[in-house]
Amino acid sequence: QVQLVESGGGVVQTGGSLRLSCVVSGFSISNYNIHWVRQAPGKGLEWVAFVEDNGRDKQYADSVKGRFAISRDNSKNTLYLQMNSLRVEDTAVYYCAKDRSESYCIDYWGQGTLVTVSS
Amino acid sequence: QSALTQPASVSGSPGQSITISCTGTSSDVGGYNYVSWYQQHPDKAPNLLIYEVSNRPSGVSNRFSGSKSGNTASLTISGLQAEDETYYYCSSYTSSTSWVFGGGTKVTVL
Repeated sequence: QVQLVESGGGVVQTGGSLRLSCVVSGFSISNYNIHWVRQAPGKGLEWVAFVEDNGRDKQYADSVKGRFAISRDNSKNTLYLQMNSLRVEDTAVYYCAKDRSESYCIDYWGQGTLVTVSS
Repeated sequence: QSALTQPASVSGSPGQSITISCTGTSSDVGGYNYVSWYQQHPDKAPNLLIYEVSNRPSGVSNRFSGSKSGNTASLTISGLQAEDETYYYCSSYTSSTSWVFGGGTKVTVL
């Protein structure tokens, strides 16, 4: 069955960097688009980033553009979210999620990993 | 990329129907039939309820239905049950090749 498992969260100071991983099973990431979505404590969902199945087209929310970068390793069926110049407002649970092809929505979510940026 | 507008809370009695609105602009909700709705229980990942405005994935109860008029989409929960008490989010694809979520609505079953 489809599973997405995030890891790499933790506590980091303002201005620091962190790399999140998302290990996928049940489908090939080279066949599906993938999103990153975050949720600050007690707040709503915020779309963060997207990578197309071909790995070439990547989109980012304005709030993270220039600081976050998606990459992937098809051989490991794993995606990464490199987060640099972290700010307190980046504190959130980060979800890796599979796009439902041609419907522009998310049909499977990981369990999330918590990133805490402290000042 | 402003968040879509949802009411903070909606309530209803068991068996009643409630509707949650989701208002955007012509650049997102009004411009595409790519509105989706998610249910999220506390400390859990969201779950897809509705995609492409009004389609239900297999396994989702037919008590959940979606619609859209202009820049506003709606989620209706009919035959409200205690298990429906949780948070609901709308989302839309946008003209900026991005996605936007609503602020979320807390549904309370009285």
